[in-house]
Amino acid sequence: EVQLVESGGDLVQPGGSLRLSCIASGFVFSGNAMVWVRQAPGKGLEWVSTMTAVGTTIYADSVKGRFTISRDNSKNTLFLQMNSLRADDSALYYCARTTGTNLRYYFEYWGQGTLVTVSS
Amino acid sequence: QSVLTQPPSVSGAPGQRVTMSCTGSGSNLGAGNDAHWYQHLPGTAPRLLIYGNTNRPSGVPDRFSGSKSGTSASLAITGLQPEDEADYYCQSYDISMRGYVFGSATKVTVL
Repeated sequence: EVQLVESGGDLVQPGGSLRLSCIASGFVFSGNAMVWVRQAPGKGLEWVSTMTAVGTTIYADSVKGRFTISRDNSKNTLFLQMNSLRADDSALYYCARTTGTNLRYYFEYWGQGTLVTVSS
Repeated sequence: QSVLTQPPSVSGAPGQRVTMSCTGSGSNLGAGNDAHWYQHLPGTAPRLLIYGNTNRPSGVPDRFSGSKSGTSASLAITGLQPEDEADYYCQSYDISMRGYVFGSATKVTVL
């Protein structure tokens, strides 16, 4: 059974940093692209970042230059380093396992999310 | 503003059929990229309903069906049930943005 468990969400001040983690199990983690998706309060789902199995990374314009996605295949863990946080980064952050080829992914399995609140 | 446009809400009585659209452009659905659909109750994990325009993952009832034509896709729910009350999102890949886009969400209400 595929399981994704996010952690690391917290209350942080504007301009601060936070690192989210997502521990995966039930599949060959190193063989799949992984993504972060967020949902701000009262808003829809928003794609944040993707890291492919071979290490290619892509980011939404809203987080480019501030967030960094990475993975540790030896620990089956996906990370999201978030710097220069702003109030509009406040959201429930989900990690998801993708399926697909040539970046044409869909998000087959999802975690329960970890909450990030940016406020003074 | 979402790149993929969905109607904000649809509703129907139990047992009825409802449909919702997902309208994109030449840089996403119109570029040949597939539409995928998710069911979501806020605060919980989204659930994949349809992938590759028309395919249902194992465990998804055949009451859910998808289609795509040109720059638009659609999700239909037949035999609407109370547990279908949720938000529904379409998703695709956008070649101009070089990233993934979600629809604006459609809230399904079972009357």
